[in-house]
Order: sequence, then structure tokens, then C-alpha cells
Amino acid sequence: DTVLTQSPALAVSPGERVTISCRASESVSTLMHWYQQKPGQQPKLLIYKASNLASGVPARFSGSGSGTDFTFTIDPVEADDIATYYCHQSWNSPRTFGGGTKLELK
Amino acid sequence: QVQLQQSGAELTKPGSSVKISCKASGYTFTSYDISWIKQRPGQALEWIGAINPGSGGTGYNEKFKGKATLTVDKSSSTAFMQLSSLTPEDTAVYYCARGKLLQWFDYWGQGVMVTVSS
Repeated sequence: DTVLTQSPALAVSPGERVTISCRASESVSTLMHWYQQKPGQQPKLLIYKASNLASGVPARFSGSGSGTDFTFTIDPVEADDIATYYCHQSWNSPRTFGGGTKLELK
Repeated sequence: QVQLQQSGAELTKPGSSVKISCKASGYTFTSYDISWIKQRPGQALEWIGAINPGSGGTGYNEKFKGKATLTVDKSSSTAFMQLSSLTPEDTAVYYCARGKLLQWFDYWGQGVMVTVSS
């Protein structure tokens, strides 16, 4: 299976720029997607195909990358962005998710 | 608007089976695959498998073959997942999500908490 590795947690302050990385154990082309999950809620799609903003998602969110290395950026961070962020690849079967990166307030 | 409405929480005993549902509305049910995703408390997401509502064709994560069975009822635009031979390791929230082959999940159900306990 394709393993997706994310840093487990990051501490941020509102107004800062934060970047989350996701490294794949093998190429996933550009079929990497990013989701936000708040406690007790279902995941919400933010970025699809590495760099495309999902409908209704603020432009503060962005993504980039291809192959095995991907990044997800929030600039500037708002208090409402405190959540766990997951990367997800759909190029290789089975689909897999990263372990999640929990954003916390400094 | 697109909605995936899942059934309610389940409390079941080890060794039993449970069948949970995901009712789709707001789009053509047969145009998108329905995937099922497992999330154990405090853990990451695991893809269980997917079903094409139009053809009934399925694809499973090897890890969940024999554990999960995916079906649909086109007449009610509802997808189902049956989990069998339940153990405490199956205690988790199970989500359904919409997405085409090789694509992302753009809509998710609210999740169903399945608790396996004696």
C-alpha cells in the first residue's frame, strides 16, 4: 500500500502562514487531495488533484506538488482553521490517507 | 443540494453483524461511486472499499475483504455496508463518501458510530 507520511502536529498563531507536508512512499502522480476535519465532524474536501481549490473553499488554502512530495498551505491562518488535516491519494489501490496533521494554537 | 444521510449509531456484540446505510440525494445516484471509510477513535482514516451504484461493481481494500460487504438499492438511492464477525477492533466511526474512480471525495456522510462490546 502507498504510505502517506505527515508531521503529526503543528502549533500556529492566527495571521501566520503554515505549511503541511505529505510524502508518499511511491508516486501518486497529481492525485493527492486534502481534507479538513474538526472534532465530531466528517472530513471536508479543501484541495483536489494537488492544487485545485474545492468549491466554496477560501483562497487562503492552497496546495502544490506532484509525484511523491506535496504541500498544503494556509495563509493567513484563522482561528477557525484549528483542525486536523489529512492528505489522501487516489492514484494507487488501495486509496490511502495520511496519519493527519493536527493544527494547534500557540 | 448533495446530501449523504447515514443511519444511526449501533451498539453490537462481538461475533455479530451490522448493516449501516447511506441515503444519497441531490444528484444522480448512479453517476458516482460510493466509498466507505473507517476512523477508529483518535485515529486516521482507512478506505474500506467502493461500489458503483450503476453496475453494482465493487472494489475492496484487501484488509477488509471478508469483513465488509457493499451493496446498493438503486430504487431508494441508498448504499449499504454490512460488517460481519465483529470484534472490538471494529469499533469506529464509518463514513460514506461520494467520489468517482481515481478521484477525490467531495461529499461525505455525517458518519455512523459502531460500538462492539459485550
